[in-house]
Amino acid sequence: DAGVIQSPRHEVTEMGQEVTLRCKPISGHDYLFWYRQTMMRGLELLIYFNNNVPIDDSGMPEDRFSAKMPNASFSTLKIQPSEPRDSAVYFCASSGLRYAAEQYFGPGTRLTVT
Amino acid sequence: GNSVTQMEGPVTLSEEAFLTINCTYTATGYPSLFWYVQYPGEGLQLLLKATKADDKGSNKGFEATYRKETTSFHLEKGSVQVSDSAVYFCALRTYSGGGADGLTFGKGTHLIIQP
Repeated sequence: DAGVIQSPRHEVTEMGQEVTLRCKPISGHDYLFWYRQTMMRGLELLIYFNNNVPIDDSGMPEDRFSAKMPNASFSTLKIQPSEPRDSAVYFCASSGLRYAAEQYFGPGTRLTVT
Repeated sequence: GNSVTQMEGPVTLSEEAFLTINCTYTATGYPSLFWYVQYPGEGLQLLLKATKADDKGSNKGFEATYRKETTSFHLEKGSVQVSDSAVYFCALRTYSGGGADGLTFGKGTHLIIQP
């Protein structure tokens, strides 16, 4: 398996623009997670899905952020409109259903909003 | 809520030195505990895990023991190498009625090993 795939790897955009980050989880995994990493706040869980259904979105910072999982092999995280404080590395991860299953992380998308 | 506290770096050691990175946690329920490692420019990789009290996770010479009485999961290695230079994250995962929750991470410890 190719592992968790994220695109793009790098994104530079201007404030106010819409940004869409994409993730393909490992085939057969039931859970998909979106995390954000910044120097100030470390790694934060934004939202996660179980069998394509959002379970907990309490980490989503505000209404400008939205996430979807239309099928088992694809998820998007959208920021509209983007702001400079959204600059961070965004990671997608997936895991199986069994107890204490390992989460496999993608390489991340480095977002810079100018 | 859940939280993880770990020593913040950078931690700088010489090659072959003994390593300890402290990690303590608070959690609702009975968590599983993890150490993840992040190399520059990469995503996180699982290093080791433990799912119940007194379990010892081990991998690549690293060890950590789940201590419920002290709510700790300290990472140790007897002899570090330059290739161990990375950022290490302690994390926990709890299980609510809806199934497993996401990971709660510590802030990360940047480890630098000098030859």
